[in-house]
Amino acid sequence: GENVEQHPSTLSVQEGDSAVIKCTYSDSASNYFPWYKQELGKGPQLIIDIRSNVGEKKDQRIAVTLNKTAKHFSLHITETQPEDSAVYFCAPILTGGGNKLTFGTGTQLKVEL
Amino acid sequence: NAGVTQTPKFQVLKTGQSMTLQCAQDMNHNSMYWYRQDPGMGLRLIYYSASEGTTDKGEVPNGYNVSRLNKREFSLRLESAAPSQTSVYFCASRRWQGHNEQYFGPGTRLTVT
Repeated sequence: GENVEQHPSTLSVQEGDSAVIKCTYSDSASNYFPWYKQELGKGPQLIIDIRSNVGEKKDQRIAVTLNKTAKHFSLHITETQPEDSAVYFCAPILTGGGNKLTFGTGTQLKVEL
Repeated sequence: NAGVTQTPKFQVLKTGQSMTLQCAQDMNHNSMYWYRQDPGMGLRLIYYSASEGTTDKGEVPNGYNVSRLNKREFSLRLESAAPSQTSVYFCASRRWQGHNEQYFGPGTRLTVT
């Protein structure tokens, strides 16, 4: 199965700073790389994803970059705001290869005023 | 659309008691999932149902059973609860196997004493 690691496990930044979370995976066949955000008391929600034929994808203040050779992808959040405080999970997967998502252990991001 | 709904939101059980967690989705999705979330361990797949009429074990199925009652509903049963099953349980659905985004319910917080 897929081994997924996230770093760091906790991250504290000042409002307006940037935050970067890295996800390392083991299955070189993985071709879909999503990031989920989980706010307190809620279920995870997809915020951005990337496919293996693309190196970078941006959506306003968030971006995801992929390095398939090194088997890692990263979530970048710029101009952080208090509402970005949450737990973030990566879940790389081989699409069509089955239904078993393997989630990373999560990164607790805290944006301080 | 309500999306994915789960009942109950909170539950306290004594060791050895049984209960069923309910999940329903109104998005006409084919695949449904049950996860548990423990501190520092991300989300782990318990069981999933790729389509109506099928169920399969995930990473941590021991102590649980599931029923895909119809396309909308997927229930998780604990026959004899144990303290190790204290966790937050999330149900999720996905449109079909080739569609990647999973939609999560709000979770059920279960405590077994």
